[in-house]
Amino acid sequence: QKEVEQNSGPLSVPEGAIASLNCTYSDRGSQSFFWYRQYSGKSPELIMFIYSNGDKEDGRFTAQLNKASQYVSLLIRDSQPSDSATYLCAVNKGGSNYKLTFGKGTLLTVNP
Amino acid sequence: DAGITQSPRHKVTETGTPVTLRCHQTENHRYMYWYRQDPGHGLRLIHYSYGVKDTDKGEVSDGYSVSRSKTEDFLLTLESATSSQTSVYFCATRSSPDNEQFFGPGTRLTVL
Repeated sequence: QKEVEQNSGPLSVPEGAIASLNCTYSDRGSQSFFWYRQYSGKSPELIMFIYSNGDKEDGRFTAQLNKASQYVSLLIRDSQPSDSATYLCAVNKGGSNYKLTFGKGTLLTVNP
Repeated sequence: DAGITQSPRHKVTETGTPVTLRCHQTENHRYMYWYRQDPGHGLRLIHYSYGVKDTDKGEVSDGYSVSRSKTEDFLLTLESATSSQTSVYFCATRSSPDNEQFFGPGTRLTVL
């Protein structure tokens, strides 16, 4: 099993819809979780991070964490064409405080 | 970008030549990282540093070496470049293990 798995997509949603991006991880001791957005040809930029089970909201973005199921998700409400990008899930594994392990990313396309 | 610069931004070199990439940060972050990003593989950690002169290997360290003689600079050296090292290289910094990681703008390296 890969350490951090994401559906590669592409995930295509219409403008104004909710986009749901999912990520699973294998290390049950993982402690913190990050979502990055990467536009084509650019560097990753942090959108949100979450440490505790439950939901965390920031504007149109909601991160959801379920440690029992080893699952973290990112919801984007009222999706805009400018949200079209690759979304990377990153996990801080237990016992490896210095390093993040990244998934391969999900390509999201928001259609006008 | 948390005050992170990378140089050069683009480089074309020939197989067998040495190459050094530089990452410079102005945030006084303790942790610094070098990643490579390739289609189908996502972001993969090459080497990281947890302090001046303190470095360790990541998952794809073969063929690469690093040095960190001062907090603000982290150098990645390809002793003898190969075509398989053609990639986009990202530097990242982090202030503490629990905090987010910030990425530099990237260096596109082509080895002919």
